[in-house]
Amino acid sequence: KQEVTQIPAALSVPEGENLVLNCSFTDSAIYNLQWFRQDPGKGLTSLLLIQSSQREQTSGRLNASLDKSSGRSTLYIAASQPGDSATYLCAADQTGANNLFFGTGTRLTVIP
Amino acid sequence: KAGVTQTPRYLIKTRGQQVTLSCSPISGHRSVSWYQQTPGQGLQFLFEYFSETQRNKGNFPGRFSGRQFSNSRSEMNVSTLELGDSALYLCASSPFSLSSYNEQFFGPGTRLTVL
Repeated sequence: KQEVTQIPAALSVPEGENLVLNCSFTDSAIYNLQWFRQDPGKGLTSLLLIQSSQREQTSGRLNASLDKSSGRSTLYIAASQPGDSATYLCAADQTGANNLFFGTGTRLTVIP
Repeated sequence: KAGVTQTPRYLIKTRGQQVTLSCSPISGHRSVSWYQQTPGQGLQFLFEYFSETQRNKGNFPGRFSGRQFSNSRSEMNVSTLELGDSALYLCASSPFSLSSYNEQFFGPGTRLTVL
């Protein structure tokens, strides 16, 4: 069974800092990997999806990378802003059957 | 396009009752997945429906069931509620096409509290 781990569990940074969130998965045979953000008590907002054949995806200040051989993905956030404060979750789709295995998340706080 | 909608947003039930939650996917999306989120277990997959057929099921007891209608709307039902069923229930829809690579879009969730 796929297991997804996110480190650190919580992170506080001053505004303007660049930061990296980490995601590890045990089974490298994934179909895709998605990054989401979740605000308290809310649903998930899709940030980036990396296909299994891709190495990275970029959207604005966000860049996600994927290294299947090492079972790792990273989410890079440039020039962090207080509005980036949220919990960030990574999820691996093992078979393309829309069954996501989620990590436990990293709670990010950006201090003004 | 409207996003994924879930109703109701909040529910309070007592042990032993049953509950039905509803999810309307993004227009044109044919796949609907359900997830349970709790502080202790995090986000866990319940089941996925495509074209009215359940294709995948997570490791949950038979008290949890679902269905999908011809318009892709989906419902999930939990019978004989237990205290541990208190959770945020999230629905996600996906176009399930090669070009989308199955990107999933989530609704705001239904917060279920079992007393």
